[in-house]
Formats: sequence, structure tokens, C-alpha cells
Amino acid sequence: RKEVEQDPGPFNVPEGATVAFNCTYSNSASQSFFWYRQDCRKEPKLLMSVYSSGNEDGRFTAQLNRASQYISLLIRDSKLSDSATYLCVVNIPGGSYIPTFGRGTSLIVHP
Amino acid sequence: NAGVTQTPKFRVLKTGQSMTLLCAQDMNHEYMYWYRQDPGMGLRLIHYSVGEGTTAKGEVPDGYNVSRLKKQNFLLGLESAAPSQTSVYFCASLGRGGRGNTEAFFGQGTRLTVV
Repeated sequence: RKEVEQDPGPFNVPEGATVAFNCTYSNSASQSFFWYRQDCRKEPKLLMSVYSSGNEDGRFTAQLNRASQYISLLIRDSKLSDSATYLCVVNIPGGSYIPTFGRGTSLIVHP
Repeated sequence: NAGVTQTPKFRVLKTGQSMTLLCAQDMNHEYMYWYRQDPGMGLRLIHYSVGEGTTAKGEVPDGYNVSRLKKQNFLLGLESAAPSQTSVYFCASLGRGGRGNTEAFFGQGTRLTVV
């Protein structure tokens, strides 16, 4: 079983829609959680960190559920420019800081 | 501030050839990483380094070697390239971002094809 699991999608939504992605992680001792965005043939870039109490950045909301070992990303009022792959990243504990990536969830926002 | 720079950006190799990918960062970061990304597989860690002179194996280290002789540089070597090493390679370093978060900063990637 992979350490970090995501539904690859694609999620195909119209502009203005609300869409949510989940990501599960296997190591209950994991401490740090992030969402990265990757555009086609580009490098991943940090979208937002995920805090225990949940956090919001504009149209994006991230939440962490430690009991069920998953994190989520909610995008409200989707824009065409939100089309990308969203990567769930978990720091797997073990002494060193090792960002471990899920396979990514593809989002396509259409007019 | 260049951030993380990878060279080359594209390369075609014949089976059995060798090459070195260079990653350079100017942010004084201790941690550096090499990942490969294949369709449907996400980013998989090849090797990483927690500081100058140190290296460690990641999830898929076979067929690769690395060196971190200087803090700012992390080299990835392929001694005898195989078609299975056709992939996009990303280097990353870890540090504080503009919002105060710890984040991984990536290079633009190297697209390698082994024929």
C-alpha cells in the first residue's frame, strides 16, 4: 500500500462549481501535510499547508482528519485557471524530513 | 534569486550511456532531493541529502548514484542508462517559503529519454 493515496480523477467540473479532493495517508505518526499544484509539464509548487484546525486561503480550504488519516482540499467557485493536478504531500516521520507525494488528482474546469 | 536550477532540461541517451544531472540551489538549504515522475506514478524519491557530504537512498534508488560535495549542489548520476529510466526528473530543496511555511522548492525538471 502506498504511503499517500489519492483518487487520480480526472474531476471534470464547470466554472463556478465547488469541488473537493481527499487524500489518505498510512502512517499515523505523520506530522506535516501539504497540497501542491502541478501544471502540465511544469514543476510542483506549494498551494497550501494543512493545519490541524483547518485553514483557508481565498477560495481554497484544507482540512486534516487525524482520526481517519486523511486530508482534504475544497475549491470553491472554480476558475478555468484552477485546471491542474493537485498533489497531496505528507512528511513521513523517521528522523529526516521526507516529503512523500501522492499520485495527484487531475482537475479540469470547463466553461 | 534563481532558486533551484536543473541542467540539462532535456536529454536523449542511448542504452548504456552515462550522464549526470546537476541541481543547484542558492537558498542555503540543507535538505535536497531527487525525484522521478512517471505517468500515473506520481513523484517517487530516488535519493536525498540532509546536508553537505551526506546522501541517503529513497524509494527507487537502483541504477542511480548521487553526490553532495558542496551544499548548493546535488548531482544525480546514471552510470548505464536503461529505457526504464526514461522519466522526468525533479530536484527539490527544502526551506522556508514566503508565507513562513516549510516547503519544497523544485527545479524545472529534466526530461530524459533513453532509447
